[in-house]
Amino acid sequence: DTEVTQTPKHLVMGMTNKKSLKCEQHMGHRAMYWYKQKAKKPPELMFVYSYEKLSINESVPSRFSPECPNSSLLNLHLHALQPEDSALYLCASSPKELSSTDTQYFGPGTRLTVL
Amino acid sequence: SQQGEEDPQALSIQEGENATMNCSYKTSINNLQWYRQNSGRGLVHLILIRSNEREKHSGRLRVTLDTSKKSSSLLITASRAADTASYFCATGAGGGSEKLVFGKGTKLTVNP
Repeated sequence: DTEVTQTPKHLVMGMTNKKSLKCEQHMGHRAMYWYKQKAKKPPELMFVYSYEKLSINESVPSRFSPECPNSSLLNLHLHALQPEDSALYLCASSPKELSSTDTQYFGPGTRLTVL
Repeated sequence: SQQGEEDPQALSIQEGENATMNCSYKTSINNLQWYRQNSGRGLVHLILIRSNEREKHSGRLRVTLDTSKKSSSLLITASRAADTASYFCATGAGGGSEKLVFGKGTKLTVNP
């Protein structure tokens, strides 16, 4: 299995809802990432887990809460989001611990719309 | 702040032509990567070039790196409609950080 999967593909939620995004990889990768991408912009790093421990939080608002239950799974819990949080949320993984020399493997993303 | 800046922002060519995209960056790097993103999808890694390399090839892709000018270029030869996508360069953030920072990207359209 050489891919990163993300569910759901699309999500529409209200500002009072609680939802979660899920990411899974079975490549034995040790680092997993959440990125946020707005239209016509590059991906922006949100969180990095390295060996299942949170190693980077890019000053992301607390309404986004990451979780890494095991080495294959990465969740992003969403609560009380704002319309400006609407974006494509991308998950990625890389073989070793966080390293800029590693190739990152991206999932197809979750298109989130906050009403 | 973003490390890489691509130009042009958008490029439209005919099938069979070559496409060249450029990336400039600010701090010293260990390597530079190029990724492709089809519309609304995840990114796909294309090629990594190390700081001690000047040129690298992969199929129809040719990447050059000029560390003295802090710039890289991606050349796609004999382009196909399927090459239509956004192309991003990515480098380490610098300052000892190992996270990747992506440039603004070039939107390539290959017309059949």
